[in-house]
Amino acid sequence: DAGVIQSPRHEVTEMGQEVTLRCKPISGHDYLFWYRQTMMRGLELLIYFNNNVPIDDSGMPEDRFSAKMPNASFSTLKIQPSEPRDSAVYFCASSLSAGATNYGYTFGSGTRLTVV
Amino acid sequence: AQSVTQLGSHVSVSEGALVLLRCNYSSSVPPYLFWYVQYPNQGLQLLLKYTSAATLVKGINGFEAEFKKSETSFHLTKPSAHMSDAAEYFCAVSEPRTGGGNKLTFGTGTQLKVEL
Repeated sequence: DAGVIQSPRHEVTEMGQEVTLRCKPISGHDYLFWYRQTMMRGLELLIYFNNNVPIDDSGMPEDRFSAKMPNASFSTLKIQPSEPRDSAVYFCASSLSAGATNYGYTFGSGTRLTVV
Repeated sequence: AQSVTQLGSHVSVSEGALVLLRCNYSSSVPPYLFWYVQYPNQGLQLLLKYTSAATLVKGINGFEAEFKKSETSFHLTKPSAHMSDAAEYFCAVSEPRTGGGNKLTFGTGTQLKVEL
């Protein structure tokens, strides 16, 4: 298995532009998570999906952020319009969870976003 | 809500010395606990996990952690540090979520430096 695949690895964009981050989870995993990592705030859970359905988006910072999961093998995180304070590393993770047992998350390599 | 506290944002050890990274958890229910490692410019990798089986958990790369309910701790240890262990380490706790699945809440991380 190739693991969780994120693209692009690096993104530099100008303030006000739309940014789309992409994630392909591990085949068969039924949970998908989007995290943001910054020096100031550490790892923050933005949103997670179960079987392609958004379950909890309470971590999404504001309406400029949106996430979709149109099918079991693809998810996007979109920022529109982007702002310099959105600069961070964005991680996607997937998990197989059965009942109360969590097998741990598998993380992608992340997308380093820089908004100038 | 469950949480974890990592004591010491930076730890420095000599090569060959004992590694001890501290993690205390707060939970009203038996927790699932995890340690993740993040190497530079990479995603998080699962080191080990505690899921209410044996209290001493062995992970990859020679790391282990012991669950101590009386101390609400889950400290990570390795008998002999290697230069390749230099990375950031995250403790995490899993809590059940409404609607199913589990949410991982991460600590703020401990940067491990290994010196010659």
